[in-house]
Amino acid sequence: GENVEQHPSTLSVQEGDSAVIKCTYSDSASNYFPWYKQELGKRPQLIIDIRSNVGEKKDQRIAVTLNKTAKHFSLHITETQPEDSAVYFCAASTGGFKTIFGAGTRLFVKA
Amino acid sequence: GAVVSQHPSRVICKSGTSVKIECRSLDFQATTMFWYRQFPKQSLMLMATSNEGSKATYEQGVEKDKFLINHASLTLSTLTVTSAHPEDSSFYICSARETGTGGLEQYFGPGTRLTVT
Repeated sequence: GENVEQHPSTLSVQEGDSAVIKCTYSDSASNYFPWYKQELGKRPQLIIDIRSNVGEKKDQRIAVTLNKTAKHFSLHITETQPEDSAVYFCAASTGGFKTIFGAGTRLFVKA
Repeated sequence: GAVVSQHPSRVICKSGTSVKIECRSLDFQATTMFWYRQFPKQSLMLMATSNEGSKATYEQGVEKDKFLINHASLTLSTLTVTSAHPEDSSFYICSARETGTGGLEQYFGPGTRLTVT
């Protein structure tokens, strides 16, 4: 079955710096890769997603890249702000069905 | 936007009793809903995929007789934890996919914190 690995588990950056989180997946059939932000005690919120027919997608300060050959995808957050502090999860699925999540990255943005 | 609700948000029950958690899609229809379990500071673990009008598909290691799932309508799925034990204490989150739009996004409910004493 699908396995998603996520690194790093914890990331601390200074406000204004960039943050990068990386994930790898194992199932070549996976074609949808969402990223979620989860604040303590709250539901995961979709922040950006990418489909396998696209190599890169950007939404303001957030971008995601996908390398299908290497089976890895990354989240890039630029100009980080304290409110970006949260746990970020990558995920992989086939057709939006069975979705497997990475272990999560706890991001701390220091003011 | 698509909204998913869950009820109750918190529940405390005694060991040996059963607890039902409801997941509703409020403004869209969802043929497929998903149930996850999340332990503190850990990731979301898929427990089962709930399909309207048919049996749920359980992930390996999840006891279907203990975690009963019913998806009787296009807007409601329920998870019943039967004969609950303290080790079942966890954060249970559901999600739903909107039917018929071709969208792949999952919309998450706010979660239910179950504590078994």
